[in-house]
Amino acid sequence: AQKVTQAQTEISVVEKEDVTLDCVYETRDTTYYLFWYKQPPSGELVFLIRRNSFDEQNEISGRYSWNFQKSTSSFNFTITASQVVDSAVYFCALSEARRGSEKLVFGKGTKLTVNP
Amino acid sequence: DGGITQSPKYLFRKEGQNVTLSCEQNLNHDAMYWYRQDPGQGLRLIYYSQIVNDFQKGDIAEGYSVSREKKESFPLTVTSAQKNPTAFYLCASSLSPQGNSNQPQHFGDGTRLSIL
Repeated sequence: AQKVTQAQTEISVVEKEDVTLDCVYETRDTTYYLFWYKQPPSGELVFLIRRNSFDEQNEISGRYSWNFQKSTSSFNFTITASQVVDSAVYFCALSEARRGSEKLVFGKGTKLTVNP
Repeated sequence: DGGITQSPKYLFRKEGQNVTLSCEQNLNHDAMYWYRQDPGQGLRLIYYSQIVNDFQKGDIAEGYSVSREKKESFPLTVTSAQKNPTAFYLCASSLSPQGNSNQPQHFGDGTRLSIL
């Protein structure tokens, strides 16, 4: 069975600090996809990144970066120089890479509060 | 603008009443999904549909029903059999997988359902 664990329930930082959100996953599939979503207070989920299991290159997008390590089954998310607008709940999710199996399994989320 | 529209934003249900949550998308996506989110929890899949006139149960389908008569619409009915319906409901859609490449799901703004 697939499972996603986000051990950090809540994190609070001061603006301009760097912060890393952890994500550990379990799957028996050799091919799978990992995702990060942001849920601001307004409620909608905003897609941030998709990574397939064959691509272990780290990715950087502005202040956001992702570190995928298959050896530890982790897909961590770092925000550099955090800003108040980064305050949100962040979800890590996993899906199988088989047609007809696009269901997402979500972690319970990490609530990030960035204080001015 | 293309997107996913959920209505209403807030909904109240009386005991023994069925209520229907609307989800419409104009992204020309094939697949649509319904998730339930409880406080401090991740999203759990209720139902999903990959093509018109076909849908599958997710992890927590009991007490819910759906239909997919049109590509752009995937309404969710919360029946009186659902004993604990108070939650935040999110609808999502995605393109069909391209080869073995799962496409990201895009989400609506959600409907908050409460019991009167």
